[in-house]
Amino acid sequence: ILNVEQSPQSLHVQEGDSTNFTCSFPSSNFYALHWYRWETAKSPEALFVMTLNGDEKKKGRISATLNTKEGYSYLYIKGSQPEDSATYLCAFTGRDDKIIFGKGTRLHILP
Amino acid sequence: GAVVSQHPSRVICKSGTSVKIECRSLDFQATTMFWYRQFPKQSLMLMATSNEGSKATYEQGVEKDKFLINHASLTLSTLTVTSAHPEDSSFYICSARDQAQSEKLFFGSGTQLSVL
Repeated sequence: ILNVEQSPQSLHVQEGDSTNFTCSFPSSNFYALHWYRWETAKSPEALFVMTLNGDEKKKGRISATLNTKEGYSYLYIKGSQPEDSATYLCAFTGRDDKIIFGKGTRLHILP
Repeated sequence: GAVVSQHPSRVICKSGTSVKIECRSLDFQATTMFWYRQFPKQSLMLMATSNEGSKATYEQGVEKDKFLINHASLTLSTLTVTSAHPEDSSFYICSARDQAQSEKLFFGSGTQLSVL
């Protein structure tokens, strides 16, 4: 059974601080790793899609890295702002095109 | 960015009734749409993959006669929960793939189904 694990489940961060969280996934049969931000009452929003080992992507204050050999990805947020409060989902896509989601990391930014 | 519209956002129905959920891609053509279910504190679980003009592909353990999927056009997929029972109460969400945007998935906003 393929599993995608995200940690921590929940995280409280002071506004202005930087933070990061992890997604671990099967290292075999890898095709792509996705990160999504999901704010309450809204649709999940695609942040990054990464396919190559060593990929690093950046979007404003948010960045992500990918290690396909050991099966993990980190998402970093620099200088957290209240609008960063959301659930961050990662999803693994295998070469068979199956998509498996993690349970998400729920991020709360404290003013 | 691409927009996916999902309706209704919330449904409360009696046991035994059928409920239809719509998922529309508003500004792109979606040859493939996905339907997920999420129980509280659990991951999004893929139920089925919906391909325009052909039968949906269901994941193991998902009853195709219970969850009817129709993808009759490039912009619309529907999920009908037939003869809903309380155990079908869950959060249902769709996504669509835009091939032009690096395999990204674009999600609807979800439907909370409560069966009494």
